[in-house]
Amino acid sequence: GNSVTQMEGPVTLSEEAFLTINCTYTATGYPSLFWYVQYPGEGLQLLLKATKADDKGSNKGFEATYRKETTSFHLEKGSVQVSDSAVYFCALSKTGANNLFFGTGTRLTVIP
Amino acid sequence: DTAVSQTPKYLVTQMGNDKSIKCEQNLGHDTMYWYKQDSKKFLKIMFSYNNKELIINETVPNRFSPKSPDKAHLNLHINSLELGDSAVYFCASSRRGEDYGYTFGSGTRLTVV
Repeated sequence: GNSVTQMEGPVTLSEEAFLTINCTYTATGYPSLFWYVQYPGEGLQLLLKATKADDKGSNKGFEATYRKETTSFHLEKGSVQVSDSAVYFCALSKTGANNLFFGTGTRLTVIP
Repeated sequence: DTAVSQTPKYLVTQMGNDKSIKCEQNLGHDTMYWYKQDSKKFLKIMFSYNNKELIINETVPNRFSPKSPDKAHLNLHINSLELGDSAVYFCASSRRGEDYGYTFGSGTRLTVV
């Protein structure tokens, strides 16, 4: 079946620290992979995506590379800001499946 | 203009009541969804509709009934509300067969007392 496993949170970092949130997946075939972000009190927003192996998705200083050999899609940012404090969700979809499978979410808190 | 709008944003109601949550998207997407987010932030799909046709119906009590009058609307009606229904419910939409991800509404926080 299809599933996503994310690192447990919460994660607390100081401003300008390096961020990594691990995500691995299980899927048949070639899924598309996504990172969504949920700011306090808001809905989920698409942060970045990658649709095939070795693609790198990037947005707002965040990056993630689709690694088929390790079935991973780890989220990274070189220097986090207080405004990055949110819950981050890794997700996968299969073309035509009409369903996004989400990880459990990782809460990030960035302190000044 | 809000792409996916849900109403109400907050809903507090007593056990046993019947309530509805409305969702509308103005993106021209063919597919709409309802997700439930529990207190631990875990997201689970409930329903998926494509052009008013039910595509996915996960293991959800039949007290939950989605209704799609047209492809821009997907409402969620809940009968005989229970304490365990308290959660945040998210509506989302997407284009069918494309991997652009989903656009989510801002959520409806349902509290059953």
